[in-house]
Amino acid sequence: GNSVTQMEGPVTLSEEAFLTINCTYTATGYPSLFWYVQYPGEGLQLLLKATKADDKGSNKGFEATYRKETTSFHLEKGSVQVSDSAVYFCAPRLNTGFQKLVFGTGTRLLVSP
Amino acid sequence: NAGVMQNPRHLVRRRGQEARLRCSPMKGHSHVYWYRQLPEEGLKFMVYLQKENIIDESGMPKERFSAEFPKEGPSILRIQQVVRGDSAAYFCASSPRSGRTGQPQHFGDGTRLSIL
Repeated sequence: GNSVTQMEGPVTLSEEAFLTINCTYTATGYPSLFWYVQYPGEGLQLLLKATKADDKGSNKGFEATYRKETTSFHLEKGSVQVSDSAVYFCAPRLNTGFQKLVFGTGTRLLVSP
Repeated sequence: NAGVMQNPRHLVRRRGQEARLRCSPMKGHSHVYWYRQLPEEGLKFMVYLQKENIIDESGMPKERFSAEFPKEGPSILRIQQVVRGDSAAYFCASSPRSGRTGQPQHFGDGTRLSIL
């Protein structure tokens, strides 16, 4: 079946530091890959996505590249802000069959001023 | 706001009562997914529905839980005879009919269910 492994949190950084959150997945077929962000007390918001190998998704300064050879989709940001503090979820989604998202446990990011 | 609407935002029930959670998908979306998030955990898929059809319920507990998405009205997740372990945040997501490659699911703000 499909599964996702994310680095454990919390990840604690100072403002303007570089961020990497690792994500690797196993999936049958050829999934689309998503990063979602969850702010306290809210639902999940789509952050970025990539649909094929070597695609780079980007949004709000965050980037992730679809690496088929390593089955990874690591999230990066060059300079984090306090407002980026949230829980980040990596989720593959098969493009056939029932198309449900498979979530990892999430990685909590804490950014201090 | 034309996003996914869930209500109530918070729901408190006593053990043995019934809980009904509602989800109105985004306009034009006919695919609905329900996920459950236990405290400090990721989301776990429960059920996938299209209008009047359950497509995949592989993540739904076999007893006490049911879901529907009628032709008219919101999708309903129903939990009968609730127990303490049902306390969680329940999220609904929707996607368009086309379901083409890379089409994201859009999430509601969730219903936080607390069982006393």
